[in-house]
Amino acid sequence: ETGVTQTPRHLVMGMTNKKSLKCEQHLGHNAMYWYKQSAKKPLELMFVYNFKEQTENNSVPSRFSPECPNSSHLFLHLHTLQPEDSALYLCASSGPLRGSGNTGELFFGEGSRLTVL
Amino acid sequence: DAKTTQPPSMDCAEGRAANLPCNHSTISGNEYVYWYRQIHSQGPQYIIHGLKNNETNEMASLIITEDRKSSTLILPHATLRDTAVYYCIVRVSIGGNQFYFGTGTSLTVIP
Repeated sequence: ETGVTQTPRHLVMGMTNKKSLKCEQHLGHNAMYWYKQSAKKPLELMFVYNFKEQTENNSVPSRFSPECPNSSHLFLHLHTLQPEDSALYLCASSGPLRGSGNTGELFFGEGSRLTVL
Repeated sequence: DAKTTQPPSMDCAEGRAANLPCNHSTISGNEYVYWYRQIHSQGPQYIIHGLKNNETNEMASLIITEDRKSSTLILPHATLRDTAVYYCIVRVSIGGNQFYFGTGTSLTVIP
């Protein structure tokens, strides 16, 4: 248990569906992330939010739409996806790197396994 | 983009020390080195991090060269449960939320 919870753990959707992935962190962190991990590929950083503001968007197609209503919740809205979007989507959070005890590391959820038919 | 390079795979005998190298020759003075590992299809797990001094915790040791251009993660007594993909990444300390993962090293611990 890392303090980062992702739902659903598994999702199967058609190319015309609209679905959402949800991430919640109970760690008091200020930054939240979405990563994509396709089979046999390294993790790809998709989006970063810091204090609810998007600070990174690594050329992600618009069919992926993130939403961060507060520092504890992060969503990834999915619409008109392609089969090649099938992957493990990982959410993570981090706090600032400070001197006393906070290592600033990423805490990952268990991921949402997405299959697009 | 990932700023580190690692060998794609390594083997280690159970009970022996596993030494995993990482090259980060373009690291800046304010960037920390972090190590994570990922066991199949789970979220990556934090192992250790450091700036310029060697570090040790209950999981591993981190040796950073004096010029900071490379580092080595040491698992002192590898077990079968240490079989995983190990990632070395760099992170800017102040306001830095850019954690870019490379291809990592797939470590196999052999009985």
